[in-house]
Amino acid sequence: SQQGEEDPQALSIQEGENATMNCSYKTSINNLQWYRQNSGRGLVHLILIRSNEREKHSGRLRVTLDTSKKSSSLLITASRAADTASYFCATHRENAGNMLTFGGGTRLMVKP
Amino acid sequence: NAGVTQTPKFHILKTGQSMTLQCAQDMNHGYLSWYRQDPGMGLRRIHYSVAAGITDKGEVPDGYNVSRSNTEDFPLRLESAAPSQTSVYFCASSLTGGNTGELFFGEGSRLTVL
Repeated sequence: SQQGEEDPQALSIQEGENATMNCSYKTSINNLQWYRQNSGRGLVHLILIRSNEREKHSGRLRVTLDTSKKSSSLLITASRAADTASYFCATHRENAGNMLTFGGGTRLMVKP
Repeated sequence: NAGVTQTPKFHILKTGQSMTLQCAQDMNHGYLSWYRQDPGMGLRRIHYSVAAGITDKGEVPDGYNVSRSNTEDFPLRLESAAPSQTSVYFCASSLTGGNTGELFFGEGSRLTVL
């Protein structure tokens, strides 16, 4: 089974609203990363948060990490139509060498 | 810099045919990997390489071969394609292999095996 599981699988919001996506994982991690994928394109790295960090910001993105609950959330504030994409979390597990494990993704639709 | 370049973008082949997907990166990254993306399955690593001359198996290596003769190129070969290999394939590179850094992805190669 996948290490990272995103929730919800799909999310539809209006432009200007905030979007929150969650990721849960099973085993201890070194870091957790979020990626965006526009339809028909490759994945683009958004942000990396290490296991000893609790929160990181990048522009309109805010990522939190709760290692006690083995979960992370990605918040996109003041969403735009251009944010429409799939969002994936990826975990680098302890003792897993250089392997990143991806979840199934959240499909976000932002309506203008 | 072009980043990670994959060719072809689309290809259809018949069961039993062979095919090579090309991947080239111009960022002098040591780590290169191939993933396949299937609906509801996320991305799964097929093979990877940490340096020229070194390759290793990922999660789902069966039916695929790779080679790494130089830093830039990392071709993925399907020797005898099967319908189960219908998927979107991504090549990704990293300076550090995902341990501390991000992965840079190509635009993908959509492969259909009939």
